[in-house]
Amino acid sequence: GAGVSQSPRYKVAKRGQDVALRCDPISGHVSLFWYQQALGQGPEFLTYFQNEAQLDKSGLPSDRFFAERPEGSVSTLKIQRTQQEDSAVYLCASSPRQREGSPLHFGNGTRLTVT
Amino acid sequence: DQQVKQNSPSLSVQEGRISILNCDYTNSMFDYFLWYKKYPAEGPTFLISISSIKDKNEDGRFTVFLNKSAKHLSLHIVPSQPGDSAVYFCAASATNAGKSTFGDGTTLTVKP
Repeated sequence: GAGVSQSPRYKVAKRGQDVALRCDPISGHVSLFWYQQALGQGPEFLTYFQNEAQLDKSGLPSDRFFAERPEGSVSTLKIQRTQQEDSAVYLCASSPRQREGSPLHFGNGTRLTVT
Repeated sequence: DQQVKQNSPSLSVQEGRISILNCDYTNSMFDYFLWYKKYPAEGPTFLISISSIKDKNEDGRFTVFLNKSAKHLSLHIVPSQPGDSAVYFCAASATNAGKSTFGDGTTLTVKP
């Protein structure tokens, strides 16, 4: 496809369950970002990859959150032992290369609801 | 401590008039500023950007103005169209930082 693809679009998890969210970036895009967006707020940075290297994970809210991009393309965001406060839309974005001010290409997000 | 603030949660304008969306920032290390537009159930899409070495950037109906001394930028849409109705996010990044920091958005409604 031409754009960033995220799956699933919606995920309902019971508190305590583990979830895995997938992101397929635009082919050839070097940089990949994960953001968390709570209702009525802007996207909050979680983590950033350049190829397979995780260069910044300062936004991950706890050690229950883990992200990987083993081959420098597809990325997975994993949340262990989900809590209600994890309910949010998780956005993935990619950009062609690490150039200052490069715009991000976002997917449509995964809406996670923890019950 | 929110480093990028959009103080107007919503804005309503008449079709054909100008829409002005505002954004303030606190981090003086920011040197790239971007505006994104978001429709419901979709991800944000890039609209226009400006670097700190400029004070104005124009693209069709969209113009972004940057006032570095005031740490303020604005997005002007002229003329506004009903299809412009969306949530607009201001974002900022610093050299070598990688990540962008977003404001909470302004919902623009353009009435026919």
